Order: sequence, then structure tokens, then C-alpha cells
Amino acid sequence: DIQMTQSPSSLSASVGDSVTITCRAGQSISTFVNWYQQKPGKAPNLLIYAASNLQRGVPSRFSGSGSGTDFTLTISSLQPEDSATYYCQQSYSTPPWTFGQGTKVEIK
Amino acid sequence: QEQLVESGGGVGQPGRSLRLSCEVSGFTFSYYAFHWVRQAPGKGLEWVAVISSDGSRTHYAESVKGRFTISRDNSKNTLYLQMNSLTAEDTAVFYCARDQGTPSGPLDYWGQGALVTVS
Repeated sequence: DIQMTQSPSSLSASVGDSVTITCRAGQSISTFVNWYQQKPGKAPNLLIYAASNLQRGVPSRFSGSGSGTDFTLTISSLQPEDSATYYCQQSYSTPPWTFGQGTKVEIK
Repeated sequence: QEQLVESGGGVGQPGRSLRLSCEVSGFTFSYYAFHWVRQAPGKGLEWVAVISSDGSRTHYAESVKGRFTISRDNSKNTLYLQMNSLTAEDTAVFYCARDQGTPSGPLDYWGQGALVTVS
């Protein structure tokens, strides 16, 4: 199974800040990484697919990059509604589909 | 408008069974593979199972293999998860999710979740 390791596990930032979350795969997975946002009590919401493609309807302040083993999700200008937990997920070698452990983003 | 609505959650006793359903509307159900993903209280996301668009292929997480069965009825636009031999470790919110079908296989639409408590 391919392990996905996110860092940091949590962060606190101010409105307007740029925030970066990283995800490292246990082996090279090309660009087969997706990113999700989950707010408390809600289902996950797809933000980015195939490492860098913005899902329809997602604000352009969200972006993704990376290939191989190292990937990043960046929020360019943090907004209050971005307070959530973010997960990466690999779909390169399946089954199983594996998720990172999550990064909780809080607004100062 | 794409919608996935789970039902069938609740309290189950250890060793007993529960069946979840996920009714889909707003797109052609039979075109897509579907997954179940669960989330234990306060924990992260755990993939559980997947079924192909025609139901001929299924895969399971090791943690549920032999106990859970994913199935679908394309005539009813409904996905199922039969859960047998439940344990306390199965307590979680269970989500059904659509596989977008592109090579990177993102899960692009999710249900609202169904809480399963084993106690």
C-alpha cells in the first residue's frame, strides 16, 4: 500500500496569508494525487485532481502542484471560510485508495 | 443537480449486521464506479470499498474484507454496503462517493454521510 504523509498536521494563519500544505507519497505516484476539503460535520469536497487541476466551482485561490513523491496544496489568500481539514489522496496504485492523515487549518 | 443520499445507518450490536444504501440522482448512475469511505469519530478518512460501473468488479480494504459487501442496482440508481460481523472499530460515518472516471480517479461527488454506531 502507498502511504501518504501530510505536514503539518495543523496550522493557524491569518486572513490574507498564503498557506501551503505538503503531502509526501511513499513511492513515486506521478501526478495521481487529489485534494479534498472537509468542514466539521460535512462530507469532503474535491478541490484539486491530478495534482494541479482545479475542480469546477472551486475558488482560484486554491492551487496544487507536484509530481513523483512530493505534492503541495496552496491557498493563496486565506479566507475565513477556508477553516477546515484538508486531505490528500493517491489513486496511482489501487486498491487501496489511500488518504493522508489530514491537515487542520485554523484562522487566527 | 448531482445528489447522493445515504440511508440505513444507526446502532448495531457487535457481531450483527447493517445495510447502508446510497440513492443517486442528477446523472447517469450506471456510467460510474462508486466507493464507500468511512471516518471514525475524530479521525481521518479511510477508503472501504469500490464497485465498477457494471458491478462486475469489487475491491475492499483489508479491514473489512470478508465482512462487508458492496453492490449496486443500476435499475434503482442505488449503491449498497452490506456490513456483517460488526465490531466497535466499525463505528464511523460512512460516505458513498462517485469516482469521476478520469485516470486520477478523484471522488467528485459525495453523500452527506450515514452514522453507524456499533455498541
